[in-house]
Amino acid sequence: DAKTTQPTSMDCAEGRAANLPCNHSTISGNEYVYWYRQIHSQGPQYIIHGLKNNETNEMASLIITEDRKSSTLILPHATLRDTAVYYCIVSANAGGTSYGKLTFGQGTILTVHP
Amino acid sequence: NAGVTQTPKFQVLKTGQSMTLQCAQDMNHEYMSWYRQDPGMGLRLIHYSVGAGITDQGEVPNGYNVSRSTTEDFPLRLLSAAPSQTSVYFCASTRSGAGNTIYFGEGSWLTVV
Repeated sequence: DAKTTQPTSMDCAEGRAANLPCNHSTISGNEYVYWYRQIHSQGPQYIIHGLKNNETNEMASLIITEDRKSSTLILPHATLRDTAVYYCIVSANAGGTSYGKLTFGQGTILTVHP
Repeated sequence: NAGVTQTPKFQVLKTGQSMTLQCAQDMNHEYMSWYRQDPGMGLRLIHYSVGAGITDQGEVPNGYNVSRSTTEDFPLRLLSAAPSQTSVYFCASTRSGAGNTIYFGEGSWLTVV
């Protein structure tokens, strides 16, 4: 599995965009980048994922560099409820499919303050 | 559509006792998996299954057994609980193939005394 590197913690002001970086320089060509978040030890909540194109949904945007070695999760208007641990994960590569396995790192603790 | 359902939510066991954590999904997902999360750590994979009758080990399988007799259910058995198994356990499921959304349950808090 490709390893990911994220900053340990970040701060963001409420209402501003939160930009969370992730480095995955050893990613393979058929591996996806997933973002999850976890609030107070609840079950991980899916945010977004992508392969090589930028993606956007109702929660966030995912920007993947052209060489796919890094990505940025953007929460466009952060709220206090976005305070959580954010995990950037590259899917397991077993026979070309993920088999639903994810390798979690330490994640980034995002604190949104008033 | 309930998603991924885990029971029980909280459990206290004595060392040496056995128990089963239940996981069920109603999305007809082929792939299911179990993770544990220790304080301040990310999730670690215990066991996973790619379909009924097929299971395999993850990163930390020792002390746990699994079976997959139906598509919907993927129970995790602790054979002889140890204090080191005190943790939060999460079940997840997804469709087969790459790049699908993986859904998690709300977790089962287990304390072994």
